[in-house]
Amino acid sequence: QQQVKQSPQSLIVQKGGISIINCAYENTAFDYFPWYQQFPGKGPALLIAIRPDVSEKKEGRFTISFNKSAKQFSLHIMDSQPGDSATYFCAATPSGTYKYIFGTGTRLKVLA
Amino acid sequence: EAQVTQNPRYLITVTGKKLTVTCSQNMNHEYMSWYRQDPGLGLRQIYYSMNVEVTDKGDVPEGYKVSRKEKRNFPLILESPSPNQTSLYFCASSPVMTGGRKETQYFGPGTRLLVL
Repeated sequence: QQQVKQSPQSLIVQKGGISIINCAYENTAFDYFPWYQQFPGKGPALLIAIRPDVSEKKEGRFTISFNKSAKQFSLHIMDSQPGDSATYFCAATPSGTYKYIFGTGTRLKVLA
Repeated sequence: EAQVTQNPRYLITVTGKKLTVTCSQNMNHEYMSWYRQDPGLGLRQIYYSMNVEVTDKGDVPEGYKVSRKEKRNFPLILESPSPNQTSLYFCASSPVMTGGRKETQYFGPGTRLLVL
């Protein structure tokens, strides 16, 4: 079964610090790598996404780094804020399909 | 307001009693999908639909049915619910772009189901 492995399971960061969440995928061609943010009691919402033809994408304080050869991609949150405290999910979609395979999630807590 | 709505938001039922969770979107999206979210397992895709009358299995379709008779609606049907289907369910939709380029999925608020 296709998998996306996400780590860490939980993360505590001081305000102003950098939060880093990692995901790795196995031997499958994926063509879309979105990250979702979920607050308690809410549905996930797209945060940022990358396609495999670029190695990095930045939107404000959020950056995705993509390493195609290592089959890894990561989310970096710069200058982390208490309002960033949420659960983050990475995902990947196999080429030619609209299946979505999600990681198991990372619960981020940013201390004030 | 552009949104995905789900009903009911909370549901307690008993084993074997058929139920339907409705999902509707007002964004004219072709793609709709159902997920379940369980602690430690993340989100797992149950079924998805690329357009009216076109549905396909996700990773965990067993015990679920779907239908897509109208573009805006994508109900999830549990013919004979069992306790292992106790979960938080999300519906999502997105546009389908030319060439298959994937775009943002918009999620509903979730339906919490307890099967006794």
